[in-house]
Amino acid sequence: QKEVEQDPGPLSVPEGAIVSLNCTYSNSAFQYFMWYRQYSRKGPELLMYTYSSGNKEDGRFTAQVDKSSKYISLFIRDSQPSDSATYLCAMSNGGANNLFFGTGTRLTVIP
Amino acid sequence: ETGVTQSPTHLIKTRGQQVTLRCSSQSGHNTVSWYQQALGQGPQFIFQYYREEENGRGNFPPRFSGLQFPNYSSELNVNALELDDSALYLCASSGTSGAKNIQYFGAGTRLSVL
Repeated sequence: QKEVEQDPGPLSVPEGAIVSLNCTYSNSAFQYFMWYRQYSRKGPELLMYTYSSGNKEDGRFTAQVDKSSKYISLFIRDSQPSDSATYLCAMSNGGANNLFFGTGTRLTVIP
Repeated sequence: ETGVTQSPTHLIKTRGQQVTLRCSSQSGHNTVSWYQQALGQGPQFIFQYYREEENGRGNFPPRFSGLQFPNYSSELNVNALELDDSALYLCASSGTSGAKNIQYFGAGTRLSVL
């Protein structure tokens, strides 16, 4: 079993839709949770990070962490064609040195 | 832009050759991590450098090696290249303590092994 599971999609939505992206994980020691956006043939760009459980909002983006269920989500409101990219979840246990990534979900927002 | 720069952007090598990839970390960051991202996959951790010492390593063979310099820039060296080494190689920099978990990535070096 992989440490982090993420549905690879692809996911297509119309412009203006609310997008929900999710990851599950198996390691209860994870404390830092991140979402990265990666455009084709580019490096991952940090969108949001959360420490431990709870919600965090930044503009059209909301990140949620439910440690009891080992489940994290990223919501994108009023999605735009420029949001079309691959979204990677990543997490860390705070003591180790590396991030564990999901496989990424490819999102297309159709104008 | 994160301030993490990688060079070269693209490299083509043949099997058995050696390659060196370079990374300059973001200003104020003293930790550099390297990841390998195969097509359609998430990045996989290779190793991390902190204060010029290796500070953690993933499941990669010894032919993957690295260095960090006093200015915190870093190199990734891969010897005896194999076809499966074809991937996007990503460098990420981070700060200290809890902030070291928040990693900022460069644009990557795309390595093709023929």
